[in-house]
Formats: sequence, C-alpha cells, structure tokens
Amino acid sequence: QKEVEQNSGPLSVPEGAIASLNCTYSDRGSQSFFWYRQYSGKSPELIMFIYSNGDKEDGRFTAQLNKASQYVSLLIRDSQPSDSATYLCAVNWERDDKIIFGKGTRLHILP
Amino acid sequence: SQTIHQWPATLVQPVGSPLSLECTVEGTSNPNLYWYRQAAGRGLQLLFYSVGIGQISSEVPQNLSASRPQDRQFILSSKKLLLSDSGFYLCAGDRGNTIYFGEGSWLTVV
Repeated sequence: QKEVEQNSGPLSVPEGAIASLNCTYSDRGSQSFFWYRQYSGKSPELIMFIYSNGDKEDGRFTAQLNKASQYVSLLIRDSQPSDSATYLCAVNWERDDKIIFGKGTRLHILP
Repeated sequence: SQTIHQWPATLVQPVGSPLSLECTVEGTSNPNLYWYRQAAGRGLQLLFYSVGIGQISSEVPQNLSASRPQDRQFILSSKKLLLSDSGFYLCAGDRGNTIYFGEGSWLTVV
C-alpha cells in the first residue's frame, strides 16, 4: 500500500522565521517527490520537485530528501504572510503512472 | 506551455442526477491525465488516470466513471450522483515528471 503522510497542522510560524514541513511515505521504490502549495478554494500549484537524496534550493524554498528514511521535507526561509496556505507533498513511484498526495499541512504565518 | 482547461467551474446538482465534467489540455500531446477529488478538509484523492485514448485506470470503486475520447480530452461522469460526491474536482496533466492542475470544479450535491 503506497501512502503519503503529513501532519495536518495548523503549523504557526512567526513572519521572518523558517517554516519546516515534513512528509513521510510508506513504500520503497519511490522515484520523484513534489511539493505543492494550495490556497483556500484554489487548485494546487507546484513549488518544487526533487529526485535525488540531499537538498535542493529554489529561492526561499529548500526541499530535503532522505530515501533511506523515506522522508522528504520543505523549508521556507524568511516566511511571509503570503506563504500561509496548505502544503501538499506528493510521491511518484517507479514504473507507476500515478502520483499520490498527502492530505496536506496547513501553514499559518503570524504577522 | 501546457494549459489545462476544466469546466464547469461550479455546479449544484440534485441527488440522483447525472454529472459530466470536462477537461482539455493544450500545448502537449499524449499526456497522462488525472482526475482527483478533494472533499472538504481532506486531501487529494486520485480517482482515475489515463495514459492514452481509451485507457482508463480506476483507483477507487464508486459511482463515477471516466473516459478519454481524444488525446487531449478527459471526461468525468456519473449516472446518478450521491451526496458524498460533493467536493472539489481537479483535472491534472503531466509535463515531464510533474503534474499540473486545472482550475478545478466545485460540485455540490443537494
């Protein structure tokens, strides 16, 4: 059974601080990992993806992947009120055409 | 660039009525296409995905069905809606190794 787990939150972070979002997945043989941001009432938008173990940075966002621990995280530096949203983790497994999403973590940046 | 169009944006349907949600993709050929549902306060549930014309994989047994009559067209249907079918329906298509979503369709079954 392939599952993606996230803490539902809400996670409250002061403006300007680092927000850390975590995601675990249940099955080995995973290939690709994605982070999406979803504002209330809107469709998800891709923030970044990561394929290899280690860190990947894009602006204020850093994705961290540890396949041995089946763990992927997203760090948001210098958090802004506009970062307040639900963050969805998604995983694509090898030889599989489907992408499974976690239930998302609600992030609230405190002004 | 790839664009995913989805309609209608919102609809209110009575229990037992039929449903048809349509999705079309521009800017790419032979994409993998997906239908997800997001119920209130819940995560994205994969309903169907398609790797080509006429090829549909169902993830969750339910009273919904999907069809792909053309390469860039994906349709979600139901013959008789249930209250539990209410939710936010999202069509998605892949580009490279990631997927991108349409604007979504809000369905309320009353």
